[in-house]
Amino acid sequence: SQTIHQWPATLVQPVGSPLSLECTVEGTSNPNLYWYRQAAGRGLQLLFYSVGIGQISSEVPQNLSASRPQDRQFILSSKKLLLSDSGFYLCAWSLGGPVYEQYFGPGTRLTVT
Amino acid sequence: DAKTTQPPSMDCAEGRAANLPCNHSTISGNEYVYWYRQIHSQGPQYIIHGLKNNETNEMASLIITEDRKSSTLILPHATLRDTAVYYCIVSGGFGNEKLTFGTGTRLTIIP
Repeated sequence: SQTIHQWPATLVQPVGSPLSLECTVEGTSNPNLYWYRQAAGRGLQLLFYSVGIGQISSEVPQNLSASRPQDRQFILSSKKLLLSDSGFYLCAWSLGGPVYEQYFGPGTRLTVT
Repeated sequence: DAKTTQPPSMDCAEGRAANLPCNHSTISGNEYVYWYRQIHSQGPQYIIHGLKNNETNEMASLIITEDRKSSTLILPHATLRDTAVYYCIVSGGFGNEKLTFGTGTRLTIIP
């Protein structure tokens, strides 16, 4: 069966510091991968998605970036965090279409201080 | 540009069926209806999806109207663990990998 891992579970970082969140999927090949952010009390915002290695689509212009160095690894990064980057970061995967059931990881709760 | 409309909140008594409505009047022919839920402090959980026909799985049933402009998610015997925000999403077929989550319906199961 498929499993999705995210780490760390929680993170407290000062403004201006770098960020690296990692997501890995087990038990499937060539998944679509997604990064979402959920600010406190808000809905899910799609940040990036990837349909293959090296293929990244950005949904929201901001100081975040994503990379997919391996088939089942998705990394979210920032060079300098802002206070507004605080939130719950979720990674998800899906198989190819036409139906894109997405399965979510446990999330990383980031607090920028 | 929300594609779906859901009531912001609903209550349901424990043990009763919870019926969550969703309007998607602008749905196009190749778009599926997906339902997810998010329990507090967790990632969303896939529940069910459908295109035209009604669907049932171990978690829920999905009833889609004949004109496909609305649907209802049914949790047959709601428990306290079903308290969550439920999202109704419509999205197209091949090449439309994104799901846009709206604000959903906050379902509270009352003991």
